[in-house]
Amino acid sequence: QQQVKQSPQSLIVQKGGISIINCAYENTAFDYFPWYQQFPGKGPALLIAIRPDVSEKKEGRFTISFNKSAKQFSLHIMDSQPGDSATYFCAARGNTDKLIFGTGTRLQVFP
Amino acid sequence: KAGVTQTPRYLIKTRGQQVTLSCSPISGHRSVSWYQQTPGQGLQFLFEYFSETQRNKGNFPGRFSGRQFSNSRSEMNVSTLELGDSALYLCASSPWTDTDTQYFGPGTRLTVL
Repeated sequence: QQQVKQSPQSLIVQKGGISIINCAYENTAFDYFPWYQQFPGKGPALLIAIRPDVSEKKEGRFTISFNKSAKQFSLHIMDSQPGDSATYFCAARGNTDKLIFGTGTRLQVFP
Repeated sequence: KAGVTQTPRYLIKTRGQQVTLSCSPISGHRSVSWYQQTPGQGLQFLFEYFSETQRNKGNFPGRFSGRQFSNSRSEMNVSTLELGDSALYLCASSPWTDTDTQYFGPGTRLTVL
């Protein structure tokens, strides 16, 4: 019940395309859903986050879509750029205050 | 503001040894969390400290321990190292006004031979 399932494991997108990464969870106590971006040799960096009281949040080219009834949330990267090539992690946090991470998606954006 | 710093960045140890990793949070942050990152298990929560008290603990054996000092700096210790402890150990800090937002350091790459 503590798991966060993330897909796909890897994603190849052409420059200018849309990258979509999906996550699903079971624990209805989760109330904070961040996405992290990690470049090789670096720690994860917070990209964007959402709470269950909204269905969508947009920051620049990055959008989180949240479906509370389906217990799913996804990250959309519009106009994907080669500089977006990184590993993306979804996560969830509930009343235990622990961040539970998905398994990660390696995104490669080709010119 | 300087980011989260972790020392050392790289460590090589042998089985049975112990190791201490250090983390300096962003100035003013009082919450420090530790994570283990491996290719097989991904990012797993180790423990969280707030104002020198362990507030949360993940599902790791007792060989993994930590502490936090009055200046919010934190250390984690792994005793009796095993090959499977080879991983990137990440530290993250949060301001007390927004404990949801975690800022990660670059990590310490531990290799156990």
